[in-house]
Amino acid sequence: GAVVSQHPSWVICKSGTSVKIECRSLDFQATTMFWYRQFPKQSLMLMATSNEGSKATYEQGVEKDKFLINHASLTLSTLTVTSAHPEDSSFYICSARNRGIPPLHFGNGTRLTVT
Amino acid sequence: RKEVEQDPGPFNVPEGATVAFNCTYSNSASQSFFWYRQDCRKEPKLLMSVYSSGNEDGRFTAQLNRASQYISLLIRDSKLSDSATYLCVALIYNQGGKLIFGQGTELSVKP
Repeated sequence: GAVVSQHPSWVICKSGTSVKIECRSLDFQATTMFWYRQFPKQSLMLMATSNEGSKATYEQGVEKDKFLINHASLTLSTLTVTSAHPEDSSFYICSARNRGIPPLHFGNGTRLTVT
Repeated sequence: RKEVEQDPGPFNVPEGATVAFNCTYSNSASQSFFWYRQDCRKEPKLLMSVYSSGNEDGRFTAQLNRASQYISLLIRDSKLSDSATYLCVALIYNQGGKLIFGQGTELSVKP
């Protein structure tokens, strides 16, 4: 089946630093990828839709200058959390769709801890 | 109001019990529906799609009522391994295939 790989699985960083998370579709091309965030005991919240070759579409309340998304190829999207703060500590998950066929395939997630 | 709302849970049931989860959605643009399962600190995994005619996969039965914008999941003969959080999900095609997640219902199956 379709596989989405996300890296790193977990990261601990100091406040003020930037962290880049990669999301790759390993055996299919994904024109659209989605980035979600999940705080403890809460549901996944969509942050942004990443479109290959164009700007990402951010959900209301998500700062596009803080969460930089780049989707340079059909198999790779990156999310950079800039100047991370402790309140950015969360579980970040990417997902991708194979040729428009639902459902989405999820990466294994990245657990970010900002100290 | 949340776009997808689920039973608050948690549900604590004995092994072998039958348990039902309910879910309602408010966005009429929602076109497809799914149940995902999420284990602690892991990514969601697709459990099953939900069709208007109702569908069954082993011990799991899903139902969709578009008129009342209601979705359900029934688990029969609960196993210990069914313990997880169950997420009700709506897919909106005309927004690029965006998935909207419910807050999830935690199920704990006890011996």
